[in-house]
Amino acid sequence: NAGVTQTPKFRILKIGQSMTLQCTQDMNHNYMYWYRQDPGMGLKLIYYSVGAGITDKGEVPNGYNVSRSTTEDFPLRLELAAPSQTSVYFCASSYSSTAVNTEQYFGPGTRLTVT
Amino acid sequence: GENVEQHPSTLSVQEGDSAVIKCTYSDSASNYFPWYKQELGKGPQLIIDIRSNVGEKKDQRIAVTLNKTAKHFSLHITETQPEDSAVYFCAAPFSGNTPLVFGKGTRLSVIA
Repeated sequence: NAGVTQTPKFRILKIGQSMTLQCTQDMNHNYMYWYRQDPGMGLKLIYYSVGAGITDKGEVPNGYNVSRSTTEDFPLRLELAAPSQTSVYFCASSYSSTAVNTEQYFGPGTRLTVT
Repeated sequence: GENVEQHPSTLSVQEGDSAVIKCTYSDSASNYFPWYKQELGKGPQLIIDIRSNVGEKKDQRIAVTLNKTAKHFSLHITETQPEDSAVYFCAAPFSGNTPLVFGKGTRLSVIA
């Protein structure tokens, strides 16, 4: 299994541009997550999904959109990029029931710079 | 919502010594407490977790303790090695299966 894969690894955007960060998992996990990591600030949840067709906002969703059309894929869309979106973005997945948290598997991250 | 506080933010220890990182959480309904290790340039990886019905869990040199009354849990690493150098994150859910809230991380440096 490849686990959780993310593309691209690095990207530089100009202010106002848009892009999609790709995330794919091959573990048949039902839950998928997008986090951003800023220096010294830990991981902040942007959006998550409990299964295909279902998404929900996390702590910092403004400026982002997601979709979950398949179990495997969970792309994150940035519209009108702003310097405040400069960060490292991590995708994660887990196999969880409705009542129990379990281990999250993280991808290698995408380092995004908006200038 | 849940609030997770993690201390210290940086920790330096001599090789072979022990390291302890502490986290407090705010919601008494939280029931799952994982610890993640993040090496430079990589995504976080789970190293140990504990559920609220257990007070302590060990895995070789790593242990986690939970005090539900005081609402805090700690990571203990014994006989530290240079490869233990990394950033460690604690986390807790608001309750049940709600998404995890992560602490701000502790940068551990093991000095040979």
